[in-house]
Amino acid sequence: AQSVTQLGSHVSVSEGALVLLRCNYSSSVPPYLFWYVQYPNQGLQLLLKYTSAATLVKGINGFEAEFKKSETSFHLTKPSAHMSDAAEYFCAVSGLTGTASKLTFGTGTRLQVTL
Amino acid sequence: NAGVTQTPKFQVLKTGQSMTLQCAQDMNHNSMYWYRQDPGMGLRLIYYSASEGTTDKGEVPNGYNVSRLNKREFSLRLESAAPSQTSVYFCASSTVPYEQYFGPGTRLTVT
Repeated sequence: AQSVTQLGSHVSVSEGALVLLRCNYSSSVPPYLFWYVQYPNQGLQLLLKYTSAATLVKGINGFEAEFKKSETSFHLTKPSAHMSDAAEYFCAVSGLTGTASKLTFGTGTRLQVTL
Repeated sequence: NAGVTQTPKFQVLKTGQSMTLQCAQDMNHNSMYWYRQDPGMGLRLIYYSASEGTTDKGEVPNGYNVSRLNKREFSLRLESAAPSQTSVYFCASSTVPYEQYFGPGTRLTVT
């Protein structure tokens, strides 16, 4: 069984400030972890993924995340927020089921960026 | 290379009507998935197909059926639509065990 908890359904930051979106996971097997971004009225786009290689993962648009097994966390960060980062962000954990990778998603965090 | 495509983009149904949502991918992925997205609930898996010829239930399969027509196409059918099925539906595909690629979604309203 696997689950994801995203702390904070809404996060507001000023442009140029640090972005920190929190994700904690639960998995009975070594997890694959993902962050997706969804812009209004669009599908989900992969930001970055952890697949048991380096624990610090760099993604697109300046985002990165660190896998911390001891804390069962995979928090998403960006040093300096930009207005274009305003979107909804989803953390997901994957567990293999036969030959399919079923993703379990968190409930999402809406990021607002203010001037 | 279009990735994952979905049709239609929008649909309004009356309670009791039926419809099929279409999904196709051109990335030669083995696995395909259908999700629904509701406010505050993230994405929930309806059905998935690990490979051509197989389908399995996800978290919320009631009221839906699926068909894996071939390796490229995976359709979702609502036999008798209910207002509780008002949602945004996403199709995705993947090469196990990696990330899933999502389509643009179908926004369905059932009145």
